[in-house]
Amino acid sequence: EAGVAQSPRYKIIEKRQSVAFWCNPISGHATLYWYQQILGQGPKLLIQFQNNGVVDDSQLPKDRFSAERLKGVDSTLKIQPAKLEDSAVYLCASSSTPGLATGELFFGEGSRLTVL
Amino acid sequence: GQQVMQIPQYQHVQEGEDFTTYCNSSTTLSNIQWYKQRPGGHPVFLIQLVKSGEVKKQKRLTFQFGEAKKNSSLHITATQTTDVGTYFCAGGGGTSYGKLTFGQGTILTVHP
Repeated sequence: EAGVAQSPRYKIIEKRQSVAFWCNPISGHATLYWYQQILGQGPKLLIQFQNNGVVDDSQLPKDRFSAERLKGVDSTLKIQPAKLEDSAVYLCASSSTPGLATGELFFGEGSRLTVL
Repeated sequence: GQQVMQIPQYQHVQEGEDFTTYCNSSTTLSNIQWYKQRPGGHPVFLIQLVKSGEVKKQKRLTFQFGEAKKNSSLHITATQTTDVGTYFCAGGGGTSYGKLTFGQGTILTVHP
């Protein structure tokens, strides 16, 4: 079974530029998460989708971050404009457990962003 | 909002010694999960605990969920160099369905 795919693996941009990350979850997984992991910290939830609807985006900096999951499969996370503090690894995860339950999260390899 | 704290932040042990990391939540959890992240890798699921007072074992790893469902621990017996990595707890529950809040992790170093 293929895992969660993410691209690009690495991205270096200058502040105020924009960047987009792509995630393809495990086939059939209804729940998709984007986490931000700053070096030395635990993953911080940015947004959670259930199929193509947003369940939780309370910690997403909406003035610069946006995410979508069209057709309930792939997802993109965009940052525009980027700030220095956005340097982090952006982890996509998916789960097969729908609705109210919390199931095992399967993480992708992550996209490492460096903002100069 | 829900906060999950982990201690210690770092732990250095000699191979063969035991290791324990502790996780505390500011609110009652519906469940808790544990993940391991190897250096340069991504978090990998270890286990989920759901019931109050639950204890689960995986070979040398023992996981506990507190009676009040606000704390948890991971104990590794006789560490090996392959145990190196960061161990995260992640608490589920509250008003956000399916949301997991991760602790800051405990970095384990094992000296051969």
